[in-house]
Amino acid sequence: RKEVEQDPGPFNVPEGATVAFNCTYSNSASQSFFWYRQDCRKEPKLLMSVYSSGNEDGRFTAQLNRASQYISLLIRDSKLSDSATYLCVVNNDMRFGAGTRLTVKP
Amino acid sequence: EPEVTQTPSHQVTQMGQEVILRCVPISNHLYFYWYRQILGQKVEFLVSFYNNEISEKSEIFDDQFSVERPDGSNFTLKIRSTKLEDSAMYFCASSARDIDGYTFGSGTRLTVV
Repeated sequence: RKEVEQDPGPFNVPEGATVAFNCTYSNSASQSFFWYRQDCRKEPKLLMSVYSSGNEDGRFTAQLNRASQYISLLIRDSKLSDSATYLCVVNNDMRFGAGTRLTVKP
Repeated sequence: EPEVTQTPSHQVTQMGQEVILRCVPISNHLYFYWYRQILGQKVEFLVSFYNNEISEKSEIFDDQFSVERPDGSNFTLKIRSTKLEDSAMYFCASSARDIDGYTFGSGTRLTVV
């Protein structure tokens, strides 16, 4: 079974900190990658796609490393509202990683 | 903003009963998915559906499960004879293309008693 593995977490960081998560995938033919966030007892919501060249959306940066088969999500200047579980998914596989729980503390 | 709609939001059923969970995907989307999440656990893939047929299913999606797109708007998940361990949040999702990110519905919480 092709797997998607994520940093186990949890990550507890102070407000304003920079935090990064990784997600490794095993299917080298994978073409599209995404990060989602999931708040407690809510549905996953698409946060951002991950492009080959890397992409940024405000405080969030996503990167793809094809050689090592992982994607990363960097959150700068973290806010209390960033507290959530962050999930990665590789579209060819349609399977989500187990998620990394982030708690941002005042 | 277009959204995926799921009904009911919460369903309680007795073990052995059949349940049908309903979803209305975004209207111009062509790919549909069901996931489930047992409380405190990861989001698990059940099935994907395209062009009126199942394109992939997981080992969880056994003979007790079926999906249907009975008309141009609804996408349903049926569980024939529910078990206690089927209690979970069931999420429907859709996408325009298989390489796109998914839009999820807010889920149906199924409780089997």
